[in-house]
Amino acid sequence: KNEVEQSPQNLTAQEGEFITINCSYSVGISALHWLQQHPGGGIVSLFMLSSGKKKHGRLIATINIQEKHSSLHITASHPRDSAVYICAVPNSGGGADGLTFGKGTHLIIQP
Amino acid sequence: DTEVTQTPKHLVMGMTNKKSLKCEQHMGHRAMYWYKQKAKKPPELMFVYSYEKLSINESVPSRFSPECPNSSLLNLHLHALQPEDSALYLCASSQTPGQRSGSYGYTFGSGTRLTVV
Repeated sequence: KNEVEQSPQNLTAQEGEFITINCSYSVGISALHWLQQHPGGGIVSLFMLSSGKKKHGRLIATINIQEKHSSLHITASHPRDSAVYICAVPNSGGGADGLTFGKGTHLIIQP
Repeated sequence: DTEVTQTPKHLVMGMTNKKSLKCEQHMGHRAMYWYKQKAKKPPELMFVYSYEKLSINESVPSRFSPECPNSSLLNLHLHALQPEDSALYLCASSQTPGQRSGSYGYTFGSGTRLTVV
């Protein structure tokens, strides 16, 4: 089973700061998912990426398949970005077998 | 429609009650999932349905009974639950590898917050 490690577990920053969240995994994968969860809420899929870099608004996700590592960046952070950010990988090489989740990074952006 | 809809959003039930959670999607996804999430923990996989057939049961107690009546609907029937079963129950859906080549994304519902008293 894939081991997914995220860092940091908790992060508090000031509005406008550049944020980086890291994720590493132990077994090669076809794609990695970055997810967002607000307190008490459901999960929103931010990115699914298998190589290189993706950008959506102020969010950027990168992945290095050889190093089994991915990062999520938030530029010009805003209090509404406060949430738990979760990295997840498929349970198998490509089947519909669900995801294994990291423990999440609890991000707080202060005004 | 690009959503997964879960009902109810909140449910309080006694340990002798029988209730059901419902999940619906109209994106043509043929894989559907139930996850359980305790406070401050990551979601844990419970069941996977692929093409309306149960493909994975992660050793879930029989007091949880999943059902997939058609390709758009997924139910989770609850009976004789324990207080420790109180959690957020999340439904998700995705395409299967057979539906297209390459990787596929997941869509999650907003969850049902279950409290067992």
